[in-house]
Amino acid sequence: QSVLTQPPSASGTPGQRVTFSCSGSSSNIGSNAVNWYQQLPGTAPKLLIYNNNQRPSGVPDRFSGSKSGTSASLAISGLQSEDEVDYYCAAWDDSLSGMVFGGGTKLTVL
Amino acid sequence: QVQLVESGGGLVKPGGSLRLSCAASGFTFSDFYMSWIRQAPGKGLEWVSYISSSGSTIFYANSVRGRFTISRDNAKNSLYLQMNSLRVDDTAVYYCVREGREGGAFDIWGQGTMVTVSS
Repeated sequence: QSVLTQPPSASGTPGQRVTFSCSGSSSNIGSNAVNWYQQLPGTAPKLLIYNNNQRPSGVPDRFSGSKSGTSASLAISGLQSEDEVDYYCAAWDDSLSGMVFGGGTKLTVL
Repeated sequence: QVQLVESGGGLVKPGGSLRLSCAASGFTFSDFYMSWIRQAPGKGLEWVSYISSSGSTIFYANSVRGRFTISRDNAKNSLYLQMNSLRVDDTAVYYCVREGREGGAFDIWGQGTMVTVSS
């Protein structure tokens, strides 16, 4: 059971905007930054969003992140077929003294 | 270019030991905090351990504390993970990762090395 809670799946149609949630607690999301990772099958994860809402260079501005209280969200606008991969949220947990991940959300582009 | 390359994975029996290595290149290794993160087959990501740039601060996940030891050699641009008393549920791809952004973000990942614990 993951410390951060993500829906296991999500779906959308090409061009649509989809949003993923990541729920935590006061010891992790509530007091630390949230980062998001994208993972293509059989490859290492890639940093997508850091420090709640910052995009590394090379990440399209279709991807955006936000945080409110003990929850965070990842939004993808202008959905493309190549976005059909897995997405993970993560945050440092002060109580556990460790990084915690969500279980991941698999996005399906219909 | 900036790169992390893991090695040392393989098949080991329950109770056995294995040492993973990670060779860093393309950046000043001694400036960055590093971690190991694993992913069991078909499962999500699990953070394993973290070491500060100097090696003075170390954290472990509860699942590996007392069995795994993280270390680094900044002169050799290398990160290590000594894994003892291995269990079947330690079976996973182990990634070496760099913490290179604000908020503890892991910005550089190795390709991963597979560890299989089975009798």
